[in-house]
Amino acid sequence: DSGVTQTPKHLITATGQRVTLRCSPRSGDLSVYWYQQSLDQGLQFLIQYYNGEERAKGNILERFSAQQFPDLHSELNLSSLELGDSALYFCASSATSYNEQFFGPGTRLTVL
Amino acid sequence: QKEVEQDPGPLSVPEGAIVSLNCTYSNSAFQYFMWYRQYSRKGPELLMYTYSSGNKEDGRFTAQVDKSSKYISLFIRDSQPSDSATYLCAMTIDSGSARQLTFGSGTQLTVLP
Repeated sequence: DSGVTQTPKHLITATGQRVTLRCSPRSGDLSVYWYQQSLDQGLQFLIQYYNGEERAKGNILERFSAQQFPDLHSELNLSSLELGDSALYFCASSATSYNEQFFGPGTRLTVL
Repeated sequence: QKEVEQDPGPLSVPEGAIVSLNCTYSNSAFQYFMWYRQYSRKGPELLMYTYSSGNKEDGRFTAQVDKSSKYISLFIRDSQPSDSATYLCAMTIDSGSARQLTFGSGTQLTVLP
């Protein structure tokens, strides 16, 4: 158990809908990262927040947004969902060693 | 061409064998290198983290980095059936507190009892 929690574990929704994924980092970790894992693209970095501020941005679609709250939990919002958004979404967190990222169990999103 | 290339396997070995997993990369700016293990449908688990050329050992695992060749390896000694998983290499650039890991596609390993 990495200490990173994610909810929900599974999410099934329809195209065009909007969903919110939630992540709680390890106690004391200020950085939260979001990754998407799909069969064809592998594990890809989406976005990083550090103590409430956006710090790095990867290949995140404009339909996706994230934020980190004062209690350090983070939410990833996915809107206008398409079939291709079906994937595993992982949250990771790190302390001051930003290279040592600890991953949560993931949220499996299925868009029908 | 992908920044990080990793042989997807699958790789199947008998219990007790030495396993060698490899990645090559094209971006010479990568400074930090990690190996993650991912069991089916679970979150990746950090195994090893290195930042310099050379070897780093942790129990049955040895990580090797050759920056001049842009090549990293993970060796598993005395492999066990519990090592059966997908192994992902990852690497990143030092950008202060900003980090994004770039992953290889993963190598699926099966250790047969």
